[in-house]
Amino acid sequence: GAVVSQHPSWVICKSGTSVKIECRSLDFQATTMFWYRQFPKQSLMLMATSNEGSKATYEQGVEKDKFLINHASLTLSTLTVTSAHPEDSSFYICSARDWRQETQYFGPGTRLLVL
Amino acid sequence: QKEVEQDPGPLSVPEGAIVSLNCTYSNSAFQYFMWYRQYSRKGPELLMYTYSSGNKEDGRFTAQVDKSSKYISLFIRDSQPSDSATYLCAMIPMNRDDKIIFGKGTRLHILP
Repeated sequence: GAVVSQHPSWVICKSGTSVKIECRSLDFQATTMFWYRQFPKQSLMLMATSNEGSKATYEQGVEKDKFLINHASLTLSTLTVTSAHPEDSSFYICSARDWRQETQYFGPGTRLLVL
Repeated sequence: QKEVEQDPGPLSVPEGAIVSLNCTYSNSAFQYFMWYRQYSRKGPELLMYTYSSGNKEDGRFTAQVDKSSKYISLFIRDSQPSDSATYLCAMIPMNRDDKIIFGKGTRLHILP
């Protein structure tokens, strides 16, 4: 199956710093990528939809200035958590839609811990 | 009524048993159906995808879709302890620009 990579797999940072997470589709072009957040034993929560070459669409309640998304190419999307705070600690997962197969593949996730 | 209903479990079955996981949905616009497996602290892994009613088999897994009843199932044969995970059903409407809709996930425990 198609592969989506995510980097880094985990990060620990101090409160107030910014953290960038990369998401890459390795063997297909993804015009649409998605960013999710997941708390322990909770469901996936969609944060935003990222379309190559255009602005991301954020879900209600997600601060676009807090979570900056850039979809620079058909294989790369980045999520930057700006001025991270302990409440931003979570598991962030990206996903890429493969239009060839009408399905969606997920990255392995990035665990963020803000101290 | 939620768009996609899935029993959260947990579901505990003995090793070797056949597991049946199910989801119902209310929106007849859903056309593409997927099952994901998620281990703790990992991203969801795509197991099966289909777009037509009927059965699709891949190894020990069988995905079943009944569009007339708005009901999908995932069967796992010869279940193994390594199958213990959360299983998520997911659907995409005919308008492919729409977001994928997930069920809440069923936690499955295979008892050795």
